[in-house]
Amino acid sequence: EVQLVESGGGLIQPGGSLRLSCAVSGISVSRNYMSWVRQAPGKGLEWVSIIYSGGSTYYGDSVRGRFTLARDISKNTFYIQMNSLRAEDTAVYYCATSVRGAALFDFWGQGTLVTVSS
Amino acid sequence: SYVLTQPPSVSVAPGQTARITCGGNNIGSKSVHWYRQKPGQAPVLVVYDDSDRPSGIPERFSGSNSGNTATLTISRVEAGDEADYYCQVWDSRTYPLWVFGGGTKLTVL
Repeated sequence: EVQLVESGGGLIQPGGSLRLSCAVSGISVSRNYMSWVRQAPGKGLEWVSIIYSGGSTYYGDSVRGRFTLARDISKNTFYIQMNSLRAEDTAVYYCATSVRGAALFDFWGQGTLVTVSS
Repeated sequence: SYVLTQPPSVSVAPGQTARITCGGNNIGSKSVHWYRQKPGQAPVLVVYDDSDRPSGIPERFSGSNSGNTATLTISRVEAGDEADYYCQVWDSRTYPLWVFGGGTKLTVL
């Protein structure tokens, strides 16, 4: 069974940094597409970033240059480092993956809330 | 960037059929995926590749995609189907992007 568990969310001041983790079981982070999707309070879903099995990374327009993905194969965990945080980054962040290819998300974590506020 | 347009809300009586649309430029040339999200929960994939269902999703959920509109159809709607529904495509024309529609709130009357 595939399971994803996020951690690391919390309250952070504008301009600050935060690292979220996604611990994965049931599949290997090194052989699958691993993504982050976020949802601002009361809003819809927004894709944030993805890391391919080969290590290539892609980012949405709103976070490119500020967020960075990484993975630790030994821990079967992947991370998103979020720098220069803004109020508009406030959201529940979900990690997600797919065993059906890169184009969709068929397993999701429970989400972790990031609040950017002074 | 590619834009997906969904109606904000759809209402249907129990036992009736709900149809949730997702509009996009020539969306029929893309694979469309649908997610259901209940309050306080993570999204769940209900239809992928236009019309396929993951295991565990009832046959009442079906999808179609042609031209500029994709549709999620829920037959014999139940109270438990009340949720937000999102369509999603992968747009790889230039920089790869995963695009979601704005979401549709399905209300069961």
